[in-house]
Amino acid sequence: QVQLVQSGAEVKKPGSSVKVSCKASGGTFNSYAFSWVRQAPGQGLEWMGGIIPVLGRTIYTQEFQGRVTITADESTSTVYMDLTSLRFEDTAVYYCASGEGVKWELPNWGQGTLVIVSS
Amino acid sequence: DIQVTQSPSSLSASVGDRVTITCRASQTISIFLNWYQQKPGRAPKLLIYGAFSLQNGVPSRFSGSGSGTDFTLTINSLQPEDFGTYYCQQSYSTPVTFGQGTRLEMK
Repeated sequence: QVQLVQSGAEVKKPGSSVKVSCKASGGTFNSYAFSWVRQAPGQGLEWMGGIIPVLGRTIYTQEFQGRVTITADESTSTVYMDLTSLRFEDTAVYYCASGEGVKWELPNWGQGTLVIVSS
Repeated sequence: DIQVTQSPSSLSASVGDRVTITCRASQTISIFLNWYQQKPGRAPKLLIYGAFSLQNGVPSRFSGSGSGTDFTLTINSLQPEDFGTYYCQQSYSTPVTFGQGTRLEMK
């Protein structure tokens, strides 16, 4: 089973960008689909998008289309989520999660990265 | 996008109770429905995948049923560690979508 370790908390200004990393270990990187899920304070889970490295395919929800970029670096077994034009309402915990193959159920989760957008 | 509606939004129960949470999809999703448990400050944990398959290490008091558009998570003989928030998720098609969550509290 893969373990996912995310980068640390960030404080960002409105209008800036944030890049969160997620390093996978203990499994075969190209056998997984990776998702990014965010959770605003006191709110539910929101799937932002995902990547299937072996297919070179990325999918984004319409809400984040144009503001989010998800990439994968097979050489370091790391997935990245880059969110631009940050707004106060982007303050949330961002989770990296993975499934097996081209499946979107999520048995493996990172510890979460808190991103605070504040002026 | 497929919408997933979960109910109830909150629930109070006692240790030993049997609890049921439902999830309804806006279109048929076969059995591509998953259930998660989340504790405060922690990442979600996958309990049930494919509508009724128990994830490794999850106690057998948890069970899932349903297909098509209507699904149920049942917890038999509720234990103190079961309190938290539960989410359903459809993985039939992208974008993947989650239900709004059910907060299970101690009565």
